[in-house]
Amino acid sequence: EIVLTQSPATLSLSPGDRATLSCRASQSVSTYLAWYQQKPGQPPRLLIHGASSVATGIPARFSGSGSGTDFTLTISSLEPEDFAVYYCQQALYWPTFGGGTKVEIK
Amino acid sequence: EVQLVESGGVLIQPGGSLRLSCAASGFTVNTYFMSWVRQAPGKGLEWVSIIYPDGRAYYADSLRGRFTISIDGSKNTLYLQMNALTAEDTAVYYCASGVMPNLVDFWGQGTLVTVSS
Repeated sequence: EIVLTQSPATLSLSPGDRATLSCRASQSVSTYLAWYQQKPGQPPRLLIHGASSVATGIPARFSGSGSGTDFTLTISSLEPEDFAVYYCQQALYWPTFGGGTKVEIK
Repeated sequence: EVQLVESGGVLIQPGGSLRLSCAASGFTVNTYFMSWVRQAPGKGLEWVSIIYPDGRAYYADSLRGRFTISIDGSKNTLYLQMNALTAEDTAVYYCASGVMPNLVDFWGQGTLVTVSS
């Protein structure tokens, strides 16, 4: 099973700040990596697929990068609605998720 | 408008069986990659099962053959039959669809399954 390790577990930032979230895979997943956002009481929402392709309807402030084992989700300037938990997920093998990064208001 | 509406989640005793349903609208379920993903209370996400448009089905190894995914095309509905339930199966179960394998681009709101005596 591919293990995805997300860091940090919690990110305390202010609106307008840049957020950089990391996801590391236990072995290469090429670019088969997705990012989801989840708010309390809601299902996840797809943000990024293929490591860097922004999903339909997702604001341009979200971007993804990386390949192999190291991936990054960047939110260029945090909006109030961006404070949430973010999960990475690999899609090359049996799909697995990272443990999540909570982006909280500082 | 695409919609996925799950139902069937209840409080059930350990060892019991349960069938979850996911009624789809706005698209045809047997032309998409349909999945069940679960989330234990306060925990992360776990992929449970996926069924391909050609009918192939796959499951998480941890389930040890207890769950079965299926589709009724006439009802445009996805199912998850769950047997020999344990407390570790307590979770919100999300129905999910995707245009590619192992990727979800649309999620239902989820249904809560609680396994407890």
